[in-house]
Amino acid sequence: EAGVAQSPRYKIIEKRQSVAFWCNPISGHATLYWYQQILGQGPKLLIQFQNNGVVDDSQLPKDRFSAERLKGVDSTLKIQPAKLEDSAVYLCASSAMAGQAYNSPLHFGNGTRLTVT
Amino acid sequence: GESVGLHLPTLSVQEGDNSIINCAYSNSASDYFIWYKQESGKGPQFIIDIRSNMDKRQGQRVTVLLNKTVKHLSLQIAATQPGDSAVYFCAEKRTGANNLFFGTGTRLTVIP
Repeated sequence: EAGVAQSPRYKIIEKRQSVAFWCNPISGHATLYWYQQILGQGPKLLIQFQNNGVVDDSQLPKDRFSAERLKGVDSTLKIQPAKLEDSAVYLCASSAMAGQAYNSPLHFGNGTRLTVT
Repeated sequence: GESVGLHLPTLSVQEGDNSIINCAYSNSASDYFIWYKQESGKGPQFIIDIRSNMDKRQGQRVTVLLNKTVKHLSLQIAATQPGDSAVYFCAEKRTGANNLFFGTGTRLTVIP
């Protein structure tokens, strides 16, 4: 099966600019996640979608980050305006079942590496 | 605070030897644990998982051990190969939560 697709692979912007990331999950996967991975750390959840509804966005900095999953398939994550501390890899993941259920692990894309200067 | 952590940030092993990567967790309400492998420039890749009602689970060349008494998780890789070089993360799912909490990771380097 095709994996989780993300674009772009790299993005360099100046602080206060805006940026958007795109994710196409594995076909048929109902649950989609966006994680932020700062260099040297493990991924941290930003937002979780079940189909096109938000399940958990408690860790999303809503003053600058937004995400949507139109039609329950593709998703975009936007940052506006970006700060220096937003430099990280943004990972998209999907799973077949709701939440992280046993035998339904998360499948990650290769991420978008964002550098904010 | 509660966290998922690892005992060692780096581990170097000779090719062919067995590797053991350790992970400590502090949340006794966690009911599911996963090991992920992350190679440079790639997203985390699922290796093996284990539920809290199990002590051991085996996969191809990998074994995960769970000791709930001391809240410790380990990943054993048999006959380590150069392709096993990567950062390994343990992650936990806490009861009632929908997502995973990741530790910092251990970098495994296999020496040919």
